[in-house]
Amino acid sequence: KQEVTQIPAALSVPEGENLVLNCSFTDSAIYNLQWFRQDPGKGLTSLLLIQSSQREQTSGRLNASLDKSSGRSTLYIAASQPGDSATYLCAVKGDETGANNLFFGTGTRLTVIP
Amino acid sequence: DTGVSQDPRHKITKRGQNVTFRCDPISEHNRLYWYRQTLGQGPEFLTYFQNEAQLEKSRLLSDRFSAERPKGSFSTLEIQRTEQGDSAMYLCASSSFFETQYFGPGTRLLVL
Repeated sequence: KQEVTQIPAALSVPEGENLVLNCSFTDSAIYNLQWFRQDPGKGLTSLLLIQSSQREQTSGRLNASLDKSSGRSTLYIAASQPGDSATYLCAVKGDETGANNLFFGTGTRLTVIP
Repeated sequence: DTGVSQDPRHKITKRGQNVTFRCDPISEHNRLYWYRQTLGQGPEFLTYFQNEAQLEKSRLLSDRFSAERPKGSFSTLEIQRTEQGDSAMYLCASSSFFETQYFGPGTRLLVL
């Protein structure tokens, strides 16, 4: 069974800092990987999706990379802002025929201090 | 707003009661998913529909849980004889073929 791990579990940074969140997965046979943001008590907002054939995706201040062979992904956030404070979750989708569910990590809780 | 919607947003019930949640996906999405999230954990997959067909069910989905998607539009998730361990956030997501899953705001269930 796919296992997804996110390190660190929590992170506090001062406003303006660049930061990196890490995600690792045990089975490299993935179809894609998604990064999500979750605010307290709310649903998930998709940030970036990387297909297994891609190395990275960028959206604004966010950049996600994927190293499928080593089972790792990183989410880079540039010039962090207090509004970035949330829990960030990564999720992988397997490439087996008929497999449609996502396997999630437990998330990194980010606090950006003004 | 054409996002995924869920109803109710919050539900408090007594142990042993039945509850039903509703999810309305993005209209053009043919795939619908249910996940469960407990405090401090990532969401865990429960079940998946393609149109009206339920194609995958997790082992987490005990026989007290049933999900339907009549006509391939909205979906319902029913929990019978609720237990305190069922307390969680129930999340619904939808997608088109193999694309990004878009999540609803969730239904938070508390079983007393």
